Amino acid sequence: QKEVEQNSGPLSVPEGAIASLNCTYSDRVSQSFFWYRQYSGKSPELIMSIYSNGDKEDGRFTAQLNKASQYVSLLIRDSQPSDSATYLCAVNGGSNYKLTFGKGTLLTVNP
Amino acid sequence: NAGVTQTPKFQVLKTGQSMTLQCAQDMNHNSMYWYRQDPGMGLRLIYYSASEGTTDKGEVPNGYNVSRLNKREFSLRLESAAPSQTSVYFCASRPPGTSYEQYFGPGTRLTVT
Repeated sequence: QKEVEQNSGPLSVPEGAIASLNCTYSDRVSQSFFWYRQYSGKSPELIMSIYSNGDKEDGRFTAQLNKASQYVSLLIRDSQPSDSATYLCAVNGGSNYKLTFGKGTLLTVNP
Repeated sequence: NAGVTQTPKFQVLKTGQSMTLQCAQDMNHNSMYWYRQDPGMGLRLIYYSASEGTTDKGEVPNGYNVSRLNKREFSLRLESAAPSQTSVYFCASRPPGTSYEQYFGPGTRLTVT
């Protein structure tokens, strides 16, 4: 059974700080990694995807992948109250197109 | 493009009643998925359809059936609803090709009493 684990949270940071969200996965053949943001009462929204080791930056968001350690993270710089949401890590592996999701980390950014 | 749409948005059923949740996408996506989301359990895959005409079980298929009506539509049926099926149900779709990205509909909040 493929597993995806996220730091349980909740995570609280002050406005303007860096928020760090972490995720580990069990399947070594996983190739594709995603971060979804889910506001309360809404559906998950894809915000980042990463496929290769290293960093990928998109605006205030940076995804980091280390396949040797089976670890993927999401950094949010200059956190804003509008970043307050649950962040879901999702991982795909092998030849099928299913995603396995972590249980999510609730982030609160305090003004 | 409306993206992925789901109906209804909310539903209350009594134990033993049946209903069908509807999902449609207008993005020409091949693969479609049904998830349920429960507090503390994350998103769990119920059924998926890799392409028109095919369906496969996911992690939690018991108590559900699906129909891939055509390329656009993928429905989820509860034949005899149980309180354990109280949940938020999300439909998602995946673009054609080798991308694994999935895009979600707005969800259906179902309560079974």
